[in-house]
Amino acid sequence: DIQMTQSPSTLSASVGDRVTITCRASQSVVSWLAWYQQKPGKAPKLLIYKASRLESGVPSRFSGSGSGTEFTLTISGLQPDDFATYYCQQYSSYPWTFGQGTKVEIK
Amino acid sequence: EVQLVESGGGLVQPGGSLRLSCAASGFTFSDYWMNWVRQAPGKGLEWVAITKQDGSVTYYVDSVKGRFTISRDNAKNSLYLQMNSLRAEDTAVYYCVRCPRGEHFDYWGQGTLVTVSS
Repeated sequence: DIQMTQSPSTLSASVGDRVTITCRASQSVVSWLAWYQQKPGKAPKLLIYKASRLESGVPSRFSGSGSGTEFTLTISGLQPDDFATYYCQQYSSYPWTFGQGTKVEIK
Repeated sequence: EVQLVESGGGLVQPGGSLRLSCAASGFTFSDYWMNWVRQAPGKGLEWVAITKQDGSVTYYVDSVKGRFTISRDNAKNSLYLQMNSLRAEDTAVYYCVRCPRGEHFDYWGQGTLVTVSS
């Protein structure tokens, strides 16, 4: 199974900050990687797919990059609505696996 | 508008069975791979199972193989998860999730809670 490791696990930031979350895969997933945002009590929401493609309707302050085993999710100008938990997920090979999550908290 | 509505969750004893259903609307259900993804209380996300558009191909995470069966009825726009031999570690919110081209997850239901406890 491909292990996905996110860092950091928790991140404290202020409105307006630039935030970067890293996701590392235990073996190459090429560009078959997605990012999701989840708020308490809600279903996850797709932000980025195929490593860098922005899902329709997602604000352009979200961006994704990387390939192979190392990926980043960047939020350029953190907004109050962005405080949430973020997950990466590989869909290169079964079983599809998620990172453990990164909680973005208010500083 | 795409809608995925899960039902069938509840409290079940260890070793028991439960069948989850997902009613899909707002899109051509038979065009999409469909999945179940779960989340234990306070924990992260875990992909459980996937089925191809016509149900001819299915994959499972190892921890549920032989116990869970994913299926679909395209005439009823419905996805199912038959869960047998349930264990305490299966306790989770189960989400029905759409998967364009068999890739990422683009639409999620609101989830249904399954609690396995005596």
